[in-house]
Amino acid sequence: EIVLTQSPGTLSLSPGERATLSCRASQSVGNTYLAWYQQKLGQAPRLLIYGASTRATGIPDRFSGSGSGTDFTLTISRLEPEDFAVYHCQQYGTSPTFGQGTKLDIK
Amino acid sequence: QVQLVQSGAEVKKPGASVKVSCKAYGYTFTGYYMHWVRLAPGQGLEWMGWIDPSSGATKYAQRFQGRIIMTRDTAIAAAYMALSRLTSDDTAVYYCARISWFSDSSGPFDYWGQGTLVTVSS
Repeated sequence: EIVLTQSPGTLSLSPGERATLSCRASQSVGNTYLAWYQQKLGQAPRLLIYGASTRATGIPDRFSGSGSGTDFTLTISRLEPEDFAVYHCQQYGTSPTFGQGTKLDIK
Repeated sequence: QVQLVQSGAEVKKPGASVKVSCKAYGYTFTGYYMHWVRLAPGQGLEWMGWIDPSSGATKYAQRFQGRIIMTRDTAIAAAYMALSRLTSDDTAVYYCARISWFSDSSGPFDYWGQGTLVTVSS
């Protein structure tokens, strides 16, 4: 099983700042089958990024993903108030796994 | 538009079973694998398994083997997840989620149900 470790656990920033979230895999993620999801309290996760760097339909371009192999990054270039949420990374190979999540909260 | 609508919250006693439903709207139900994921308090998302709505084939995460069953009813475009021998560790919000790629078991999850809270308490 591929274990995903997200860091930091909590990130406190202000609107307008840049957010950088990390996801590290215990072994290489084949085919860059790596996705990022945003989840707000009481809501289902929403797909942001797949294939490590492709934005899902309707996702603003302030969200970007990068990385390959075992190291992946989600960057939010300028935080909007609605971006404060929990972010999950996922590898979606044969047996998908998720990271433990990064909570992005308002400083 | 695509929608996944799940059944309502459940409260169960330890040792009992629960069955959660997920009704699909707005797309060809048999064309897209359905996965189940849960979120327990203070934990990360946990993948539980998938079902191919076309054939009924299933694959379960190893830790649930022997106490999980996923089924579907193509006549009403519904998927079901049943979990038995519940303990307090099974208290969580359970989600169904659709694979975004046609007829593929692997892929990102583009549509999610609203979640069903299952509480296990004596």
